Amino acid sequence: ETGVTQSPTHLIKTRGQQVTLRCSSQSGHNTVSWYQQALGQGPQFIFQYYREEENGRGNFPPRFSGLQFPNYSSELNVNALELDDSALYLCASSLGASGSWNEQFFGPGTRLTVL
Amino acid sequence: AQSVTQPDIHITVSEGASLELRCNYSYGATPYLFWYVQSPGQGLQLLLKYFSGDTLVQGIKGFEAEFKRSQSSFNLRKPSVHWSDAAEYFCAVGGNTGGFKTIFGAGTRLFVKA
Repeated sequence: ETGVTQSPTHLIKTRGQQVTLRCSSQSGHNTVSWYQQALGQGPQFIFQYYREEENGRGNFPPRFSGLQFPNYSSELNVNALELDDSALYLCASSLGASGSWNEQFFGPGTRLTVL
Repeated sequence: AQSVTQPDIHITVSEGASLELRCNYSYGATPYLFWYVQSPGQGLQLLLKYFSGDTLVQGIKGFEAEFKRSQSSFNLRKPSVHWSDAAEYFCAVGGNTGGFKTIFGAGTRLFVKA
């Protein structure tokens, strides 16, 4: 069974650029959640996708957007990067119905640095 | 508003000594409560969870946590710490408010000394 994988591992961008981060769910999982973890902070919920539809969103601006594909892999897109977007971005997958809790399995994250 | 407070930014414990990590939460309904551990370069791993029932829950790696509704607390404990327990620990609260969201505390860094 393959766990949650994320790519790339590290990324450096400049302010104003756009970035796409990728996540492959654990086999059989249909739900993906994205989190932003700034240095010295806990993860903050960005949004969740269930069966290709957004299923909840945290307090992040619209320039944070996502997609979930038919194979349940997912992308996080961030437009107009700001310095404060520098963080570890975590993806977590789970298997379950909308609105219910099921154990989330986290990937190792993508470290984004915005200069 | 939903929130999680971990009062201790870091804690140092001698190997073999007992450990207690504190967590307080604010949540409008009965919360789902979690403890996660994060080691350098690793993703978050679930240690234990509380949904309902017995307020003392057992987790992996010898950890346990106690839910105290009157104190809005969910402290994590371990009777004897091993050097491999050195990591960042996150308390989290979750609930179904337009999709299930998990809210994490800022974390407590555990250092273990020989």
